[in-house]
Amino acid sequence: NAGVTQTPKFRVLKTGQSMTLLCAQDMNHEYMYWYRQDPGMGLRLIHYSVGEGTTAKGEVPDGYNVSRLKKQNFLLGLESAAPSQTSVYFCASNLGLPYNEQFFGPGIRLTVL
Amino acid sequence: AQSVTQLGSHVSVSEGALVLLRCNYSSSVPPYLFWYVQYPNQGLQLLLKYTSAATLVKGINGFEAEFKKSETSFHLTKPSAHMSDAAEYFCAVTNFGNEKLTFGTGTRLTIIP
Repeated sequence: NAGVTQTPKFRVLKTGQSMTLLCAQDMNHEYMYWYRQDPGMGLRLIHYSVGEGTTAKGEVPDGYNVSRLKKQNFLLGLESAAPSQTSVYFCASNLGLPYNEQFFGPGIRLTVL
Repeated sequence: AQSVTQLGSHVSVSEGALVLLRCNYSSSVPPYLFWYVQYPNQGLQLLLKYTSAATLVKGINGFEAEFKKSETSFHLTKPSAHMSDAAEYFCAVTNFGNEKLTFGTGTRLTIIP
């Protein structure tokens, strides 16, 4: 099992460009999450999904959109990137309630100039 | 609403000394509590979790944590620090029926040779 994988590993964007970050898991997990990690702020939840075809907003959803068309994939989109979106993005998944342990991917380092 | 406070964004201990990382939580219902570790340039991995069974929880790499309801705490300890313990540690809280984790801001642990 590869676990949770994220693509790409690094990316540099210019302000206003768009891109999609891909998260894939091969553990047949129901729930998937996108977080951003910024120095001194811990992990903040952007969006999450409790099953194929569902999405929900987290703590910091503005400027991001998500889709969960297939159970194993969770995509995070930036329609018009801003410097404030420079961050490390982590994807996580879990089996669903009551299994609360989340399994994390290695992260995507995104810089917006 | 639930929240986690991690006292001390940076902690330094000598190799072989006791490691104590502090976590206090706020939750209006019985919590589930987690400690995650993040090594440089990696994702988070679970160290240990409390889900209302034994209040003293043992995790990987010799770490343990004790749930103290009266103090609303879940501090992480290790009797003897090793150089390989240098990492960032995150405390997180959720509760039964809640699909989201709330993370603390993290504590960076440095081991002094």
